[in-house]
Amino acid sequence: EDQVTQSPEALRLQEGESSSLNCSYTVSGLRGLFWYRQDPGKGPEFLFTLYSAGEEKEKERLKATLTKKESFLHITAPKPEDSATYLCAGFSGSARQLTFGSGTQLTVLP
Amino acid sequence: DAMVIQNPRYQVTQFGKPVTLSCSQTLNHNVMYWYQQKSSQAPKLLFHYYDKDFNNEADTPDNFQSRRPNTSFCFLDIRSPGLGDAAMYLCATSRDRGRQRVSFGPGTRLTVL
Repeated sequence: EDQVTQSPEALRLQEGESSSLNCSYTVSGLRGLFWYRQDPGKGPEFLFTLYSAGEEKEKERLKATLTKKESFLHITAPKPEDSATYLCAGFSGSARQLTFGSGTQLTVLP
Repeated sequence: DAMVIQNPRYQVTQFGKPVTLSCSQTLNHNVMYWYQQKSSQAPKLLFHYYDKDFNNEADTPDNFQSRRPNTSFCFLDIRSPGLGDAAMYLCATSRDRGRQRVSFGPGTRLTVL
């Protein structure tokens, strides 16, 4: 069974304090690893897709990386507006669907 | 802007009273999905349509049904809502069933009294 596990469940940072969120996956025939941002009461907003180990993508203060077993979302010098839940999801080539993790709830304090 | 639209954003129903949630898209995507998300949990796929082809997840309760009358619209019907069905319901689309980006709507928050 495909599984995606995110850690930590919750993370509180001071503004400017860089950190990383972890996403471990066991997804049969992984065809893509997706990161989404979800604000309270809203639908997930697409951030990145990573397709192969070693790949990296960046957007503003966020950088996503992928290995054969996990993905990291690095947040550099976060701001309060980065506060949200970050979800990762693996796309299985065999099941042809996304399997989501439970998310990391990030709070950035001013 | 091309987008996924869900109505209503908030829905209150009574225990056992049928309810329908709607989703429309202007992306002209082939695939439409319905996810259920409970508080602090991962979105859980209920079913999806690839064009007119309906695909139900094995563990989706029979209480949940879906209709896709055309490319743009998709409906989620809950025939007899229970208290455990209170959740955020997310509609999403993708161009194909490959590894393309899945785009989500804003969700409908369902409350069951």
